[in-house]
Amino acid sequence: ELKVEQNPLFLSMQEGKNYTIYCNYSTTSDRLYWYRQDPGKSLESLFVLLSNGAVKQEGRLMASLDTKARLSTLHITAAVHDLSATYFCAVDMTGTYKYIFGTGTRLKVLA
Amino acid sequence: EPEVTQTPSHQVTQMGQEVILRCVPISNHLYFYWYRQILGQKVEFLVSFYNNEISEKSEIFDDQFSVERPDGSNFTLKIRSTKLEDSAMYFCASSRSARGGELFFGEGSRLTVL
Repeated sequence: ELKVEQNPLFLSMQEGKNYTIYCNYSTTSDRLYWYRQDPGKSLESLFVLLSNGAVKQEGRLMASLDTKARLSTLHITAAVHDLSATYFCAVDMTGTYKYIFGTGTRLKVLA
Repeated sequence: EPEVTQTPSHQVTQMGQEVILRCVPISNHLYFYWYRQILGQKVEFLVSFYNNEISEKSEIFDDQFSVERPDGSNFTLKIRSTKLEDSAMYFCASSRSARGGELFFGEGSRLTVL
C-alpha cells in the first residue's frame, strides 16, 4: 500500500523567511503533484512533476522531484502571509488509476 | 475557464437515509474521481471511473457506495444508507489523462449526517 508522508505537519514561520516542506512516498512513481488548500475551500493544483529531477517554480514556491530518493520538496522563499494554507503532495501509483495524497502541511505565515 | 461543479454544496441528512452527490466534470476530461476529507484532514481516495466503469476503489468504498454517469455530463456518488462517520467533505475531480494529468477539483459537497 502506497504511503505518502509529509513533514512537517504544521509550520509557523515569519514573513520573509525561507523554509522547505518534504514529501516522502513509499513506492515507485515518477509523477508527483502539489496542491494548495485554503480553509474551507477546495484543492488547487500548484505543480505537476513528471520525471526525476523535475523542478518547477511559481512565484515564491519551487517544487522538485527526486524519484530515486522517493522525495519531493516544496521550497518557500521569503514567505508572505498570503501563502498561509495547507499544502498537499499527491502521488499516482504506477499501474493504477488513483492519486494518493500526503498527510498535508498546514502553513501559517506570521506578519 | 472550465471548472468542475458540484451540487449540493451542503447537505444535512438523517442516519440511514440515501444521499446522492452530483458532479459535472470538465467536458473534455475522461477520468473522474471522488475523494473525501474529514474535518480538513487527509484527502482520502474513494473511487476512480473511466469509460463508464469503476477503474479503482478504496477500502472505504464499500457496498453502501456507488457511482454512475447517468448521462454525458453528470457523475454521481450515491450513499445508500448514511452513517454518522460518512460526515465529511466530498470532492469530485476530473483529469484529461490517467497518469501525469493533474486533477481538477470541484468546490466540494459537505455532508452532515445526524
